[in-house]
Amino acid sequence: DTAVSQTPKYLVTQMGNDKSIKCEQNLGHDTMYWYKQDSKKFLKIMFSYNNKELIINETVPNRFSPKSPDKAHLNLHINSLELGDSAVYFCASSQDLGTGPLNTEAFFGQGTRLTVV
Amino acid sequence: AQKITQTQPGMFVQEKEAVTLDCTYDTSDPSYGLFWYKQPSSGEMIFLIYQGSYDQQNATEGRYSLNFQKARKSANLVISASQLGDSAMYFCAMEGYSSASKIIFGSGTRLSIRP
Repeated sequence: DTAVSQTPKYLVTQMGNDKSIKCEQNLGHDTMYWYKQDSKKFLKIMFSYNNKELIINETVPNRFSPKSPDKAHLNLHINSLELGDSAVYFCASSQDLGTGPLNTEAFFGQGTRLTVV
Repeated sequence: AQKITQTQPGMFVQEKEAVTLDCTYDTSDPSYGLFWYKQPSSGEMIFLIYQGSYDQQNATEGRYSLNFQKARKSANLVISASQLGDSAMYFCAMEGYSSASKIIFGSGTRLSIRP
């Protein structure tokens, strides 16, 4: 069974369209993330959700809106897509056990390659 | 503020040699975790190794070991007896255990193994 699954794996769409990327984890983790990997392979966090609540919302355009219907799902909706949105988007999850020495390794989905034309 | 720095954008290593990938970090959190991930050409992110800031011993996982020097704020990944399949991007990452849940990544090092 896939621990973190995101769909679709590839997404090609025209500028101005609205699209969603879905993410589901079956690990029972409390925290889920969305990362954007740019053309230089740099991974930057976009959002972090803990138990369905938004914890981190980094400086991303308002066109990006995460939706967490339950703690096993964190979907990413993008409005009015622009050329610069082309990238690989990774969903991830980790178990948040509170403070103290922890092993909160993050498990990643396979990535979604978004191409805006 | 937290920061991860990987100063080696690319490295070439002969097969069967050991290789060290550098990672330095900065954080104000008293407790934190350090991670290394491998990203092969297929694109997925694969967890390799974890080091907690309070761990007394350096972490090891098979051919991977983490050279953790807390005072110098470095967490270098050592791969022993490199193999062709080790060719990939390698990311160092950190999570500070404050109230905010966030894992930040370095810019990555592309490792190429020569036969």
